[in-house]
Amino acid sequence: EAQVTQNPRYLITVTGKKLTVTCSQNMNHEYMSWYRQDPGLGLRQIYYSMNVEVTDKGDVPEGYKVSRKEKRNFPLILESPSPNQTSLYFCASSREETQYFGPGTRLLVL
Amino acid sequence: GQNIDQPTEMTATEGAIVQINCTYQTSGFNGLFWYQQHAGEAPTFLSYNVLDGLEEKGRFSSFLSRSKGYSYLLLKELQMKDSASYLCAVRVVQSDSWGKLQFGAGTQVVVTP
Repeated sequence: EAQVTQNPRYLITVTGKKLTVTCSQNMNHEYMSWYRQDPGLGLRQIYYSMNVEVTDKGDVPEGYKVSRKEKRNFPLILESPSPNQTSLYFCASSREETQYFGPGTRLLVL
Repeated sequence: GQNIDQPTEMTATEGAIVQINCTYQTSGFNGLFWYQQHAGEAPTFLSYNVLDGLEEKGRFSSFLSRSKGYSYLLLKELQMKDSASYLCAVRVVQSDSWGKLQFGAGTQVVVTP
């Protein structure tokens, strides 16, 4: 089944404890992206990647890192999480104009 | 900066038609997308417009006017399952980036019996 998977789906952590949210797609898509979704603000793009080893900042990249060493994986790294990074995170991949979203990761930073 | 505006909420009756407007102010416009998002779920792709005009897909149609910075999503023959948030998104291309996607805050559509 063609899909985008994210792990973990739910995470509670404490300020400053490094964490990684994994994202994987099995559709051989070149474009991948990370978003956060907050009430009243909608989806905001954190980082995106046009292909392997090519990443670029979205609108809210501060406090996040990404890497794209392989086509299928695009992990999101929070080196030192803070409470303002509490949010719902979506990974997505696309070919041409159709973007497929993962199920989301709900993160709470205490 | 970019600015994407859409109404916060709309209510309509089952079987009716609803039109969700989206206006944007952007440089480097390279396409407009509509997504549907049910509560607690991920967004799903509905439509894409890059040229002026109307794109029709079954009960859903999307229109774009690039000169006016305006799009709408038209939902016909509303069904209860159409109750969801509808997200307008603009892709921008700039000298230092391409492929950036920016979303409006979403329009919550409530379909009543």
